[in-house]
Amino acid sequence: EPEVTQTPSHQVTQMGQEVILRCVPISNHLYFYWYRQILGQKVEFLVSFYNNEISEKSEIFDDQFSVERPDGSNFTLKIRSTKLEDSAMYFCASSAWATAQNTEAFFGQGTRLTVV
Amino acid sequence: AQKVTQAQTEISVVEKEDVTLDCVYETRDTTYYLFWYKQPPSGELVFLIRRNSFDEQNEISGRYSWNFQKSTSSFNFTITASQVVDSAVYFCALSEGAGSYIPTFGRGTSLIVHP
Repeated sequence: EPEVTQTPSHQVTQMGQEVILRCVPISNHLYFYWYRQILGQKVEFLVSFYNNEISEKSEIFDDQFSVERPDGSNFTLKIRSTKLEDSAMYFCASSAWATAQNTEAFFGQGTRLTVV
Repeated sequence: AQKVTQAQTEISVVEKEDVTLDCVYETRDTTYYLFWYKQPPSGELVFLIRRNSFDEQNEISGRYSWNFQKSTSSFNFTITASQVVDSAVYFCALSEGAGSYIPTFGRGTSLIVHP
């Protein structure tokens, strides 16, 4: 069964360091997303990506964040200078289409980022 | 503006009990989609169901059932004869319109099923 794969499963980094979270979406999917979930809180949308550009982003997704699809399979989230409050579970998701009518988003297992 | 309210923060039941998880939503759109996701202790998000705003039929899938009522803006989720493996956090989510798939999640309800 196709699945979204995220690496690493857990990343510990020092405050101020840059981190790159990696995702391999399902191969025939065209839309990619990042969400985050601060421990014990709700899942929050960060950004959606289609056709090599950001299609939507939330107010959380500020200049500290960037996304990239460096090749045909990977989708990455970069956090430039991590802060303590960036500690969260980050979920990658992909879908075949944009509209909720035609598709569901498949979520990866998540990467737990801990900033110390 | 979208809003999804899951008023129950945590529910604790004993195995084999039925349990209903509430979800109330707000939207001004006439076209929208509602979702339920399960997040087991391992952390991943598991898709359970999607329902569009034009289909108010209740749905049953095994021990799971969903009751969608537009009159009360609710999309409640019932687990019949709960099992320990049902222990998880359950999220209700709402996505508006036909432009993009960007669900807004509720805060989740933690379900604990005791043996």
